[in-house]
Amino acid sequence: QSVLTQPPSVSAAPGQRVTISCSGTSSNIGSNYVSWYQQLPGTAPKLLIYENTKRPSGIPDRFSGSTSGTSATLGITGLQTGDEADYYCGTWDSSLSAGVFGGGTKLTVL
Amino acid sequence: EVQVLESGGGLVQPGGSLRLSCVASGFTFSNYVTTWVRQAPGKGLEWVSGLTSGGSGGHTFYVDSVKGRFVISRDNSKNTVYLQMKSLRAEDTAVYYCAKGGMSTGMDVWGQGTTVTVSS
Repeated sequence: QSVLTQPPSVSAAPGQRVTISCSGTSSNIGSNYVSWYQQLPGTAPKLLIYENTKRPSGIPDRFSGSTSGTSATLGITGLQTGDEADYYCGTWDSSLSAGVFGGGTKLTVL
Repeated sequence: EVQVLESGGGLVQPGGSLRLSCVASGFTFSNYVTTWVRQAPGKGLEWVSGLTSGGSGGHTFYVDSVKGRFVISRDNSKNTVYLQMKSLRAEDTAVYYCAKGGMSTGMDVWGQGTTVTVSS
């Protein structure tokens, strides 16, 4: 049982938009920055979003992040088959004094 | 090129020990938070341990399940971070990733991972 809650799977057609939610509490998302990671099959995770909304260099603006209260959302527009991957949210939990991840969301591009 | 490279994984019996190493190139480890993340077979990511920046060693943090068994440390002269693991259990079996950065700032450089298998 992960501290952060993500839907196990989402799907959408190529070219469409999808959002992935990440629900937490006041001690994690509600008080710390959220980051998002993409993990393609058989590879290491890759940073997509940091500090809630910022994109590292090289990450296309099709990927966006937002937060509201104790929830965070990753948005992906213009879906491509190459976006099929597992996506994880993560943040610091001030009560646990530990990092926490969501359980991951598998994105299928139909 | 900025990168990190893990090593030290392997097969170990329950109760045994291993030391994982993570060597950085292209940047200085002591200037950044370093994080160890693991992924059990077929499972999601799990934050394991973090070490804050600082030349004098930094502050260490651990997930509850490894407290008292794992120790994260850094050798600034070798630009290397270690994860010393003891009293290993079957549930510690996973791919262990080292990453530059922390959960608050985002982990922007990841290694390829090193596999730890705890089995008799």
